Amino acid sequence: NAGVMQNPRHLVRRRGQEARLRCSPMKGHSHVYWYRQLPEEGLKFMVYLQKENIIDESGMPKERFSAEFPKEGPSILRIQQVVRGDSAAYFCASSPNRDYEQYFGPGTRLTVT
Amino acid sequence: QKEVEQNSGPLSVPEGAIASLNCTYSDRGSQSFFWYRQYSGKSPELIMSIYSNGDKEDGRFTAQLNKASQYVSLLIRDSQPSDSATYLCAVKEGKGFQKLVFGTGTRLLVSP
Repeated sequence: NAGVMQNPRHLVRRRGQEARLRCSPMKGHSHVYWYRQLPEEGLKFMVYLQKENIIDESGMPKERFSAEFPKEGPSILRIQQVVRGDSAAYFCASSPNRDYEQYFGPGTRLTVT
Repeated sequence: QKEVEQNSGPLSVPEGAIASLNCTYSDRGSQSFFWYRQYSGKSPELIMSIYSNGDKEDGRFTAQLNKASQYVSLLIRDSQPSDSATYLCAVKEGKGFQKLVFGTGTRLLVSP
């Protein structure tokens, strides 16, 4: 029973490039959440998606960040024109329904040089 | 801004002792409460969830919730060196809100 899968695990991008982070939820889970953990800071909510729908994007920066969860395939967090301040660990979590616990994937550690 | 507060620690306890981790939250409408364990460089791992006032026990772990005081705690009995990690308190706000609001975590060190 595979857990939440994220790839890549480590991603290095130069300033101005695009970063694409992928998340496959646990089997049977249709709710996906993205969180960001900046160095020495707590986890911060970014966005909550169900298949083909963004439910809550209140934590997403207004510019350069977008997320999707298509009918087929993984959820994608996209960061355009990355800056050094985007360097962080990005975690995806999933749950089988909106009221259930959230289980986290291993994360993608983004480094912007 | 709705907040979850934790003492950053480190909380140092000897092996075999009880470790007590505390968390307060600001939103009275919060419905669900969670404790996650995070080892350095790893992802958060769910340890306990609690939804109603009182105690909930699971093995060596006991979560305690007091909604009137807006306080949730985690007790770890018979602490082991492998319990050394950062413990994150997370709160889900009232119905309709699904995001978790995390505290900054308490670092626990269990010495042999």
